[in-house]
Amino acid sequence: QQQVRQSPQSLTVWEGETAILNCSYENSAFDYFPWYQQFPGEGPALLIAIRSVSDKKEDGGFTIFFNKREKNLSLHIKDSQPGDSATYFCAASESNWGKLIFGQGTKLSIKP
Amino acid sequence: DTTVKQNPRYKLARVGKPVNLICSQTMNHDTMYWYQKKPNQAPKLLLFYYDKILNREADTFEKFQSSRPNNSFCSLYIGSAGLEYSAMYLCASSPWGAKTGQLYFGEGSKLTVL
Repeated sequence: QQQVRQSPQSLTVWEGETAILNCSYENSAFDYFPWYQQFPGEGPALLIAIRSVSDKKEDGGFTIFFNKREKNLSLHIKDSQPGDSATYFCAASESNWGKLIFGQGTKLSIKP
Repeated sequence: DTTVKQNPRYKLARVGKPVNLICSQTMNHDTMYWYQKKPNQAPKLLLFYYDKILNREADTFEKFQSSRPNNSFCSLYIGSAGLEYSAMYLCASSPWGAKTGQLYFGEGSKLTVL
């Protein structure tokens, strides 16, 4: 049973557009949601994270929108650039616990 | 330095043979994790060490062994590799609790079992 689900599996957008990556979860006890970015040949790296007490988190051109009631969240990448092409993983954990449960990832391609 | 190093980067193993993967970190993190990643699947937590205490996930309990001889090193051991073990193995470390959710990952060890 997959506790964290991501959609779409792959996404292609044009340079300058906003890419929207979706994530949903099942466990109501999850309250911490980081997004990881992975480039080919590298390990995943923390990009941005949100706690369930918030409904929005911004960092540069990256924004997380969180809906606790619906148990879903989305990552918006504004003014996307070819350098943003990567696989993005949504993850979740219970409070103050480093045991992260990952989604299967969204492979994002930005066309110049 | 926030580097987690894994060796080997690529490993080819025969069915039934043992496999040992190594991970090291120099950040003095007390927690180290091993994840298994197969194509189009989510990274799956196999086990983690908090200090010297090993915690293995219930569904992989008997399939993987691990050791942590000191704070910096952690190994993942497969006693008898099967085809289903072919995957990318990701090691990560974090301070206990990882309140920022920040796990530091290595580049991975790609295991191919033939």
